[in-house]
Amino acid sequence: GAVVSQHPSRVICKSGTSVKIECRSLDFQATTMFWYRQFPKKSLMLMATSNEGSKATYEQGVEKDKFLINHASLTLSTLTVTSAHPEDSSFYICSALTSGRPNTGELFFGEGSRLTVL
Amino acid sequence: AQSVAQPEDQVNVAEGNPLTVKCTYSVSGNPYLFWYVQYPNRGLQFLLKYITGDNLVKGSYGFEAEFNKSQTSFHLKKPSALVSDSALYFCAVRAAFGGYQKVTFGTGTKLQVIP
Repeated sequence: GAVVSQHPSRVICKSGTSVKIECRSLDFQATTMFWYRQFPKKSLMLMATSNEGSKATYEQGVEKDKFLINHASLTLSTLTVTSAHPEDSSFYICSALTSGRPNTGELFFGEGSRLTVL
Repeated sequence: AQSVAQPEDQVNVAEGNPLTVKCTYSVSGNPYLFWYVQYPNRGLQFLLKYITGDNLVKGSYGFEAEFNKSQTSFHLKKPSALVSDSALYFCAVRAAFGGYQKVTFGTGTKLQVIP
C-alpha cells in the first residue's frame, strides 16, 4: 500500500517557539493532504485540507495564522505551529489522498507527531 | 452535511468470540465508507472500504463490514476476536459527488479483547 511519512514523530519545544511537521507521500502523488489533531479522548479533528499549489482550506475554529499549512509539491505538505503554547500540545496526524480520477480511494495516514509544548 | 456516529465508546469481547463495532452515517448521495484502526501513538491504518457492489466487504486481518443502506449502517465485524485486535477503531464516510474530498470520521470505538 501507499506510504506516508510524517516527521518528527515526537517534538518538545518551549512556549513561544515555532515547530514544523512534515508529511510526505513516499510512493505516490498526493494532490490533497489532510491535517488532523487528535485529542486525549481520541476523537480526530480535521484542521485543514491542503491542496497542492493552492491555499489550504481551514475548518471552522482553526486559526490560520497559528497553524500554517504549505503544500508546495505533490509529495510534501508541512504544518507549522507558530508561537506554540502548552494548549497546542497534541498528537497531529496527516493523511494523503492519491491523485487520479475517479478517486474512491482510502486515505493513507502518517504515523503522527506528538507535540509537547513546555 | 455528512456525519458519522459510533455509539459505543468501548467494546469488550472475550478472545475467540465474535465482535461487532457499530457505525451509522448520514450523507447526501452515495456514501463511500471506510474503517480504520489505530494502535497507541500510531497513525491510522486502513482496514476496509465500501464503494459499491456486495454489501458485505472483507478487509484486512479477518475483518469484514456490512453495508446496510436502509439502516444507514456499516458495522465492523470479525467472527473470532484476537487479543491483538485490541485497538481504536474509526469509521469514516466520504460523499461521492463532484470533487468533494472531505472525509468525516466517527469519534472512535476502543475495542478491548479479553484473554
